[in-house]
Amino acid sequence: EVQLLESGGGLVQPGGSLRLSCAASGFTFTSYALSWVRQAPGKGLEWVATISDGGGSRYYAESVRGRFTISRDNSKNTVDLQMNSLRVEDTAVYYCVKGRYINYRGAADVWGQGTMVTVS
Amino acid sequence: DIQMTQSPSSLSASVGDRVTIACQASQHIRNYLNWYQQKPGKAPKLLIYDASNLETGVPSRFSGSGSGTDFTFTISSLQPEDIATYYCQQYDTLPTFGQGTRVEIK
Repeated sequence: EVQLLESGGGLVQPGGSLRLSCAASGFTFTSYALSWVRQAPGKGLEWVATISDGGGSRYYAESVRGRFTISRDNSKNTVDLQMNSLRVEDTAVYYCVKGRYINYRGAADVWGQGTMVTVS
Repeated sequence: DIQMTQSPSSLSASVGDRVTIACQASQHIRNYLNWYQQKPGKAPKLLIYDASNLETGVPSRFSGSGSGTDFTFTISSLQPEDIATYYCQQYDTLPTFGQGTRVEIK
């Protein structure tokens, strides 16, 4: 079964840092891009960041560029999101998402259950 | 960024009704558009990819069409389990989502 399992969410003060992690299983991890998508309470979906299959290309939303860093470990089948200089507006459920292809193109065909980040 | 505008923002329909949601892109995106369903408290689920292709395992009452800037998502016969919020998403450039359409049963 294809699965993504996020961890690392929690409560942090404005200006603080948090690191989210996502463990993947059930598919060839090195063949696909991985992304983070977030959803603020009661709001819609917002794409945050994508890392390519090999990790050589990273893409960020303007709202997080320079503060967040996406990385992956293809030996451990994990993808992380390092979040620094957190703001109240970063409060959201963060979903780990598998892409259909090697970069940000294509559909997000597998979603994790999400992890809540509260900045307050 | 490419802006995605969905309409309506919410709708109420009866079981068995045909439901249509529109999604307009602020610039041409070819057919680089996906549709997702999100039920309350759950992660989104991919329904339609590349504007008109049904994801494996998704019921055939769901369909999508369009190209360029104007796209349509249709539920041919609304079922109680279709109560959810639906999002379009483009990937011609860095991904962006529409604001969502909440579908309720009348």
